[in-house]
Amino acid sequence: ELKVEQNPLFLSMQEGKNYTIYCNYSTTSDRLYWYRQDPGKSLESLFVLLSNGAVKQEGRLMASLDTKARLSTLHITAAVHDLSATYFCAVDYNTDKLIFGTGTRLQVFP
Amino acid sequence: DGGITQSPKYLFRKEGQNVTLSCEQNLNHDAMYWYRQDPGQGLRLIYYSQIVNDFQKGDIAEGYSVSREKKESFPLTVTSAQKNPTAFYLCASKKLSGANQPQHFGDGTRLSIL
Repeated sequence: ELKVEQNPLFLSMQEGKNYTIYCNYSTTSDRLYWYRQDPGKSLESLFVLLSNGAVKQEGRLMASLDTKARLSTLHITAAVHDLSATYFCAVDYNTDKLIFGTGTRLQVFP
Repeated sequence: DGGITQSPKYLFRKEGQNVTLSCEQNLNHDAMYWYRQDPGQGLRLIYYSQIVNDFQKGDIAEGYSVSREKKESFPLTVTSAQKNPTAFYLCASKKLSGANQPQHFGDGTRLSIL
């Protein structure tokens, strides 16, 4: 069965702190996507990771992919309130269909 | 500006009624997708289409129907057979050729039962 699991499901962190969100998936894939969703809104594409060892950074967010471990991470550096949102990883099992993780709801407080 | 337009933003359904959610894109994307999102959960695939006049069931197709008569349009009908339709529905599209691209999403339609 194709599964994508994220942890933690909920993350409350103080501004200025660092933290990592983990995304594990069950079967080999070399295409993984990270999205952001604000409450009641649509999904915004953050990163596309296409190969083992891929690392991408945008502002305070950095995503990486380890296809051998079937693991992607989204690292948050020096969190700010504007990063508060729900973050989803999604895996493409070579069918152009995505299997989404359950999401990590991030709340950043002063 | 190119994008994906979903309408209406809010929709209410009565018992026994079919309702249709609209999704239009002007990105010249080949594939289109419909997802359902329940509160506090991830997205689940309802139907998808990679080419005009062809579509495939996703993981939760029961109680839903779609059509793809034009490349730009992929309407979703929530039928009376769907007993628990209250959810947030998201339409997405993607270009299939060339470099790997993410799916792009519309702003969603929130469906509730009256």
